[in-house]
Amino acid sequence: DQQVKQNSPSLSVQEGRISILNCDYTNSMFDYFLWYKKYPAEGPTFLISISSIKDKNEDGRFTVFLNKSAKHLSLHIVPSQPGDSAVYFCAATPYNNNDMRFGAGTRLTVKP
Amino acid sequence: DAGITQSPRHKVTETGTPVTLRCHQTENHRYMYWYRQDPGHGLRLIHYSYGVKDTDKGEVSDGYSVSRSKTEDFLLTLESATSSQTSVYFCAISEVLASPYNEQFFGPGTRLTVL
Repeated sequence: DQQVKQNSPSLSVQEGRISILNCDYTNSMFDYFLWYKKYPAEGPTFLISISSIKDKNEDGRFTVFLNKSAKHLSLHIVPSQPGDSAVYFCAATPYNNNDMRFGAGTRLTVKP
Repeated sequence: DAGITQSPRHKVTETGTPVTLRCHQTENHRYMYWYRQDPGHGLRLIHYSYGVKDTDKGEVSDGYSVSRSKTEDFLLTLESATSSQTSVYFCAISEVLASPYNEQFFGPGTRLTVL
């Protein structure tokens, strides 16, 4: 029962363009949504998050959008840089934080 | 970077042998987690701890046990390793009060191969 789904295993974009990573979820009890970035041979690192009471959160080049009615969120990276090449995991959690569910990840490649 | 170390970083073992992975933190965070990462599944929670000697099961706990005798250490044990437990294991920590968005900090991972 995969409650968080990332349907695109990979995405390739040109440096300077926008990267859009998508995520869908099925559990309406999720309160917080997070994006993690993972480089090879390292642990995931937190990137950005959004509360279910908001529809947008921005941090520099990274913006997360939440559409609760569609149970969909997306991560926008503008402009994309080669250093952004990594695997991006979408995650969702209820308020108590003890049951964070992750998507399968999307591998982003930013070409110079 | 959050002070989280995992040991060993790599291990190859045989089916049926016991294996213990260690997670050590220097952040004094209350919550500690063990995840496994597999292709097509992302990260899945195995067990978590909400304090010394307080643990609970996660999504994929069968075949695993944990212990936390000190705030800084969280051990994951495979009593009798099977090939299906070949995976990359990540430890994570969090301190809910300090992090309104439930951010978790991850260790570098342990790659376990069960032959």
